[in-house]
Amino acid sequence: DAGVTQSPTHLIKTRGQQVTLRCSPISGHKSVSWYQQVLGQGPQFIFQYYEKEERGRGNFPDRFSARQFPNYSSELNVNALLLGDSALYLCASSLWLGPTGTDSPLHFGNGTRLTVT
Amino acid sequence: RKEVEQDPGPFNVPEGATVAFNCTYSNSASQSFFWYRQDCRKEPKLLMSVYSSGNEDGRFTAQLNRASQYISLLIRDSKLSDSATYLCVVTRSGNTPLVFGKGTRLSVIA
Repeated sequence: DAGVTQSPTHLIKTRGQQVTLRCSPISGHKSVSWYQQVLGQGPQFIFQYYEKEERGRGNFPDRFSARQFPNYSSELNVNALLLGDSALYLCASSLWLGPTGTDSPLHFGNGTRLTVT
Repeated sequence: RKEVEQDPGPFNVPEGATVAFNCTYSNSASQSFFWYRQDCRKEPKLLMSVYSSGNEDGRFTAQLNRASQYISLLIRDSKLSDSATYLCVVTRSGNTPLVFGKGTRLSVIA
């Protein structure tokens, strides 16, 4: 079975531009979460979606938005890019809403590495 | 104060050594605890969940002390392939997102 797939793998944008990142969860997984990982830090939660509804939002500005489609895939949009948005953006899926240890662990994709110049 | 704090790395140990990582969390409402492993430029992967009774998976042992809000990971007989960043992770309930520590980098040297 395919794991969580993200596209593109790498992206270079300039300040002020907009970017859309895409994620396909593992087949059968209905929950998708987005995390931002800045170099040298742990991943930081941005959004969680379940059954196409937003179920959680981290401490990120309104420039960040996301949505989940009927096939459970998801997009993360970032407007008005800043240099500080340069990071690895990770998408994760799980069977149920929220991680419950080994019963429903989060499975991460390989991430999209965004560089803002 | 960060919600999850870990030992600063890096840890450089020889093959066969035993190494321990420590982690503290500040939110007493935290309910679920995990260790994730992240290889260089790769995604995090669940290593093991952590239970109050402690749990072991081969060479890896995880412990949780709720009173002290402290989590540990012990790796025995270190292998070169154990070289990675180990992330301490907590969540308040099954419906809340994971909160990651900064990670501790381990390098096992031949």
